[in-house]
Amino acid sequence: GAVVSQHPSRVICKSGTSVKIECRSLDFQATTMFWYRQFPKQSLMLMATSNEGSKATYEQGVEKDKFLINHASLTLSTLTVTSAHPEDSSFYICSASELQGISAEAFFGQGTRLTVV
Amino acid sequence: SQQGEEDPQALSIQEGENATMNCSYKTSINNLQWYRQNSGRGLVHLILIRSNEREKHSGRLRVTLDTSKKSSSLLITASRAADTASYFCATLGRDDKIIFGKGTRLHILP
Repeated sequence: GAVVSQHPSRVICKSGTSVKIECRSLDFQATTMFWYRQFPKQSLMLMATSNEGSKATYEQGVEKDKFLINHASLTLSTLTVTSAHPEDSSFYICSASELQGISAEAFFGQGTRLTVV
Repeated sequence: SQQGEEDPQALSIQEGENATMNCSYKTSINNLQWYRQNSGRGLVHLILIRSNEREKHSGRLRVTLDTSKKSSSLLITASRAADTASYFCATLGRDDKIIFGKGTRLHILP
C-alpha cells in the first residue's frame, strides 16, 4: 500500500524555538495532506488541511501563525511549530489520501512526539 | 471538530471473548475507516468500508455500516492480549477531510 513518511519521530526542543516536521508521500502524489494533533489519551484533532500550491485551511481554534504549514510539492508538506511552548508538547501526525471518492484511503505518517522543555 | 462518537469509551473483556465497538457520525461520508493505536504509537489502519457497502470482514475483524443511521460497528472475535489498544473510527467526508471519533480503549484481560 501507499506510504507516508513523517520525520522526525521524536523531537525535544527548548521553549521559544521553532520545530519543523516533514510529511512525505513516498509513492503517490497528494494534492491534499492533513495535520492532526493528539493529546494523551484523547482522539486526534484535525488541525489544518494542507493544499499543494496554496494556503492551508486551519480548523477553528488553531493559530495559523503558530502552526505554519507549507505544501511545496505534491509529495511534501511541512508543519512548523513556531516559538514553541510546553503546552505545544503533543503527538503530531499527518495523513494523505491516494485515491478520491468512496475508495479513498488515508495513509498516516508515523507521527512526531514533540516535547518542549 | 469531531463528528465521530465511539461507544463504549472503555471496554474490558476476557481473552477469547468478542469485543464490539460502535461509532456514530453526523455528516455524509465517502467511507469509514477503523484504526488501532497502541499506547504512545502511531495509527494502524484496520479496515475501510465504503459508503455503498454494508459489511466487511478481515481476519478476526467484522465491520458493519448503516448509512441510514450514520453508524458503524467493529467486532473483534476471539480477542487476544495483543488486541489491547485504542480503536478509532474515522470518516472520510465528501471534502476528503478525515474526522476521528473519540476512540474506545479496549483492554483484554488474561
